[in-house]
Amino acid sequence: NAGVTQTPKFQVLKTGQSMTLQCAQDMNHEYMSWYRQDPGMGLRLIHYSVGAGITDQGEVPNGYNVSRSTTEDFPLRLLSAAPSQTSVYFCASSPSRAGAAFTGELFFGEGSRLTVL
Amino acid sequence: KNQVEQSPQSLIILEGKNCTLQCNYTVSPFSNLRWYKQDTGRGPVSLTIMTFSENTKSNGRYTATLDADTKQSSLHITASQLSDSASYICVVSASDDMRFGAGTRLTVKP
Repeated sequence: NAGVTQTPKFQVLKTGQSMTLQCAQDMNHEYMSWYRQDPGMGLRLIHYSVGAGITDQGEVPNGYNVSRSTTEDFPLRLLSAAPSQTSVYFCASSPSRAGAAFTGELFFGEGSRLTVL
Repeated sequence: KNQVEQSPQSLIILEGKNCTLQCNYTVSPFSNLRWYKQDTGRGPVSLTIMTFSENTKSNGRYTATLDADTKQSSLHITASQLSDSASYICVVSASDDMRFGAGTRLTVKP
């Protein structure tokens, strides 16, 4: 099993450009989520999904869209990139499906480092 | 407001020495607490989980403790190795929330 796979690993955008960060997992996990990690701060939840066709907002959803058409894939879209979105983005999945609450372990991808100029 | 605070922010120790990392939280109602290890340029990986009824749990050279009354947890690393150099993140879950600490950056030097 590959686990959680994120692409691309690195991306540089200009302000106003759009892009999609891809996330795929092969563990048949119901729960998937996106986080951003900034220096000196804990991981912050952007959006999450408790199953195919179901998505919800996290702590910092503005400027990002998600969709969950399959169990395996959970792409994150930046509609109009801003310098404030410069960050490292992590996708994570979990076998737990208890809504936003967790008893299950989060399995993270390797991260996508995004720079917006 | 649900918060997780970790200390110290960074720590440098010599190989073979022990160290203890701290996590204080205000997350309520408490469900569980996990410690994750994040190597540079990688995603976090779970080390251990603590539930309300557990005081101590070990995973090899890593020992986590939990005091639910004072809302504190610690991660003790014994006989450190160079491979222990990483960030250690405390994650606390409530019934409807999950909060991440900013992490402690540990550097083990030879």
